[in-house]
Amino acid sequence: GDSVTQTEGLVTLTEGLPVMLNCTYQTIYSNPFLFWYVQHLNESPRLLLKSFTDNKRTEHQGFHATLHKSSSSFHLQKSSAQLSDSALYYCALSTLSGGLSGKLTFGEGTQVTVIS
Amino acid sequence: NAGVIQTPRHKVTGKGQEATLWCEPISGHSAVFWYRQTIVQGLEFLTYFRNQAPIDDSGMPKERFSAQMPNQSHSTLKIQSTQPQDSAVYLCASSDWGGSAEQFFGPGTRLTVL
Repeated sequence: GDSVTQTEGLVTLTEGLPVMLNCTYQTIYSNPFLFWYVQHLNESPRLLLKSFTDNKRTEHQGFHATLHKSSSSFHLQKSSAQLSDSALYYCALSTLSGGLSGKLTFGEGTQVTVIS
Repeated sequence: NAGVIQTPRHKVTGKGQEATLWCEPISGHSAVFWYRQTIVQGLEFLTYFRNQAPIDDSGMPKERFSAQMPNQSHSTLKIQSTQPQDSAVYLCASSDWGGSAEQFFGPGTRLTVL
C-alpha cells in the first residue's frame, strides 16, 4: 500500500534559521497528490501546502515545497523560522481517481520547536 | 461557515462500554473522512464516505468499529466494547467534490477508555 516517511521526529532550531523537513513517499500510482499539514498545539491539522505537479515549486505562508516524482520526495522548506512555526508537521499522500478526493496517508509527523 | 463540527469534544468510557462519535461536515461537502490520532501511531485513516456511500473502510478495526452516514449532514463512528487501546483523538474531515482535494478537519473527539 501507500506509505509516507518523515525522517525527523523532532526538530529544534533557532529563530531566523532555515528549516527543512524531509518527506518521501511510496505509491504505485503515477499521479499522487502530496500535502503538508500543520497542527498547532490543541488544534486540528490544517492544510499548509499541496501539489500534484512534478518539479513545480508551491509556496504558502513563507513555506515552500517541490514535488519530485523522480525521487518520490516532497520536502518542506522555509528560509527563516519564526517562533509561531512551532508545531507538528505531517506530510501526506493521496491517490485520487478522476479528481475526486481520496483518503490521506500520513507520515509519522515532525515536531518542530523554534527557540529564540 | 462553521467548519466541521464534532461532538462530543471529550468522552470517557469504561472498558466494554459503547461510544458513539458524531460529525457534521461542512455544508456542501460531499466527502467525509474519519481518522484516529495517537502519540504512538500518529494520524491513521479509518474510513470515508462520498455522497453518503461508504467508499473505503480499510483502516477500520473490523470487529468493534462501524461508521455510518445516514444523511449528508452527519456521520457517526461507533465503537462497541471499547478497550483502553481505543483511547485516541478521533478526527473527522470533509472535502468537496472538486479536484482541490483539501480536507478540512474538525476539532476532534478525545476518547478516553478507562
